[in-house]
Amino acid sequence: GAGVSQTPSNKVTEKGKYVELRCDPISGHTALYWYRQSLGQGPEFLIYFQGTGAADDSGLPNDRFFAVRPEGSVSTLKIQRTERGDSAVYLCASSSSSNEQFFGPGTRLTVL
Amino acid sequence: GIQVEQSPPDLILQEGANSTLRCNFSDSVNNLQWFHQNPWGQLINLFYIPSGTKQNGRLSATTVATERYSLLYISSSQTTDSGVYFCAVEQAGGGATNKLIFGTGTLLAVQP
Repeated sequence: GAGVSQTPSNKVTEKGKYVELRCDPISGHTALYWYRQSLGQGPEFLIYFQGTGAADDSGLPNDRFFAVRPEGSVSTLKIQRTERGDSAVYLCASSSSSNEQFFGPGTRLTVL
Repeated sequence: GIQVEQSPPDLILQEGANSTLRCNFSDSVNNLQWFHQNPWGQLINLFYIPSGTKQNGRLSATTVATERYSLLYISSSQTTDSGVYFCAVEQAGGGATNKLIFGTGTLLAVQP
């Protein structure tokens, strides 16, 4: 079946702009995660959804970052007033009751 | 929080050689996953292995949860095995989250 998909694959924006990153999880997966990966490092957790609610948002770096999952499927990560330090690959993952996480291809965000 | 360390940090092999990658973690875990991040950045699931031993083709993995380590074995390496190998764990007693904490990665280069 289809895996996790993310759009766009690449996003270039200017400092101060607003961006939205989209994640389509594997069909039927109730859990969805966002991670961020900087160059040369492992992914770092941002936020976890179980269904429609954010069960853990402890990894969001500040209040410029926000994520939603209104219908318990697709999720959108929103970044306001982007900064150059936000440049990274944003990864989405989903899991079923087994808790094994499957990752999408990521969105490479570049803030100029 | 839990610390996840991987060794070696870098590894160069000749095609056909065998290797062992190690993951040490500092606290009890509910889940452990091994990933291969290919040169295009995609995280590929290798093993979901909170304990015990599993094998999949030329790859196998063993997790000894009581001693807080996991090993990934690669036999008869191929150039397509090149990339970064990550170990990621879910800390036990973490409450409502299933977030993965990633290790520092092992960069593997297999030369023809």
